[in-house]
Amino acid sequence: EDQVTQSPEALRLQEGESSSLNCSYTVSGLRGLFWYRQDPGKGPEFLFTLYSAGEEKEKERLKATLTKKESFLHITAPKPEDSATYLCAVQNSNSGYALNFGKGTSLLVTP
Amino acid sequence: GAVVSQHPSWVICKSGTSVKIECRSLDFQATTMFWYRQFPKQSLMLMATSNEGSKATYEQGVEKDKFLINHASLTLSTLTVTSAHPEDSSFYICSAKTRPQGSHQDTQYFGPGTRLTVL
Repeated sequence: EDQVTQSPEALRLQEGESSSLNCSYTVSGLRGLFWYRQDPGKGPEFLFTLYSAGEEKEKERLKATLTKKESFLHITAPKPEDSATYLCAVQNSNSGYALNFGKGTSLLVTP
Repeated sequence: GAVVSQHPSWVICKSGTSVKIECRSLDFQATTMFWYRQFPKQSLMLMATSNEGSKATYEQGVEKDKFLINHASLTLSTLTVTSAHPEDSSFYICSAKTRPQGSHQDTQYFGPGTRLTVL
C-alpha cells in the first residue's frame, strides 16, 4: 500500500530563515511526486512535479528535490506570504492518475 | 491557464436533502476529473475518478449510491450528495487532469473547493 509521510506537521520560521520540508514515500511504482500549496479554505495550488530520483525543480523561493525514498521542499529566505500548508502527493503508475496525499506541513512565516 | 472552478463555494442544507456540486474546467478539456474530500486538519482523500462518457470509479468505502457522479461533458463533472447527513459535512474538492504546455506528463489542477454543512 502506498504511503506518504510529511514532516514536520507544523513549522514556524522567521522571515528570511531558510528551511526544508520533508516528504517520505513508499510506492510500488512511482509515476510522479507532486507538491501543492494550500491556503485555508481553498483548493490546492500546483507547484511541482518530480518524476525520477535526482530531479530538481525551482520556482522563486522554492526548490523541490527527489530521491528514491523522499522529497524535500526547500524554502529560501521565506516571506510571510509563503505561509500555507504544503502538500506532497504520489501517483502510482499502477493506479491510474489518482493522487495519494500526505497530511501536509503547515508553514507559518512571521515578519 | 488550467483553471478549474467549483459551484457553489459553500452550501448549507438540512439533513435528508440532496446537494449538487459542479466542477468545471474553464480553459481546457478534461476527460478525467477527480473528487476529493477533506475533513478539518486532515489531508485530501480521493473519493472517486470521473471519466467523461462512462461510469465513475469509486474508492473503497465510498458509497456510489450516496455520492452520484456525472461527467456529461469534457468540461463539467457533478457530484450529488444524496440524502445528506451531518457526517457528510466536509470540504469537497475536485480536480481535472491535463497536460501543461511543454510537459510530457499530465498534472491535476484543483478547484477552489465547496464547503458543505449539513444541519
